[in-house]
Amino acid sequence: ETGVTQTPRHLVMGMTNKKSLKCEQHLGHNAMYWYKQSAKKPLELMFVYNFKEQTENNSVPSRFSPECPNSSHLFLHLHTLQPEDSALYLCASSQDRGTSVPDTQYFGPGTRLTVL
Amino acid sequence: SQKIEQNSEALNIQEGKTATLTCNYTNYSPAYLQWYRQDPGRGPVFLLLIRENEKEKRKERLKVTFDTTLKQSLFHITASQPADSATYLCALSLYGNNRLAFGKGNQVVVIP
Repeated sequence: ETGVTQTPRHLVMGMTNKKSLKCEQHLGHNAMYWYKQSAKKPLELMFVYNFKEQTENNSVPSRFSPECPNSSHLFLHLHTLQPEDSALYLCASSQDRGTSVPDTQYFGPGTRLTVL
Repeated sequence: SQKIEQNSEALNIQEGKTATLTCNYTNYSPAYLQWYRQDPGRGPVFLLLIRENEKEKRKERLKVTFDTTLKQSLFHITASQPADSATYLCALSLYGNNRLAFGKGNQVVVIP
């Protein structure tokens, strides 16, 4: 509906597993974002990519590894996660116009991750 | 440290009344403030953006104010409808920066 899709919608994994979250945007945007939304906490920005280049890493642990092969696709590779990493992981995209006004971000529906 | 505060208690309001939500911030000088709506199981959806030099912004039944002296934004939904039931998030950003800092959100329940 928003032009940003995420798969899977739900994921349960053990602490020793390796999994990947996928995000795809169909809006022709050039910037993509990963956010984490935990219960009772505000949305936290994790990573930002502009034109496939990572421009922000918000002190995220290395067990989260982003990948942006092109401006339409964004992945979040997960390994050796902890139970406290259980959260809703949201992807967003925007058209970076290079102006001072922040660009509207369009969010996907999120992946609900549970780490056992 | 920077803080963005929204009321953690849900706002229950009768249909047709005006819902008012508050976003307060400290240790922050945002140039822009945005409001988003989030429904269960979905990502946030952008509603309105207001600049630091704007006092008020309107869009259909929505009105946002931005008081940089009080470090506060008010979000109003007039003539509220059950379909307005959702969680509303405020987000702040600096000049020339797409990095958004979000509040925890405030749930609104409109009772028919």
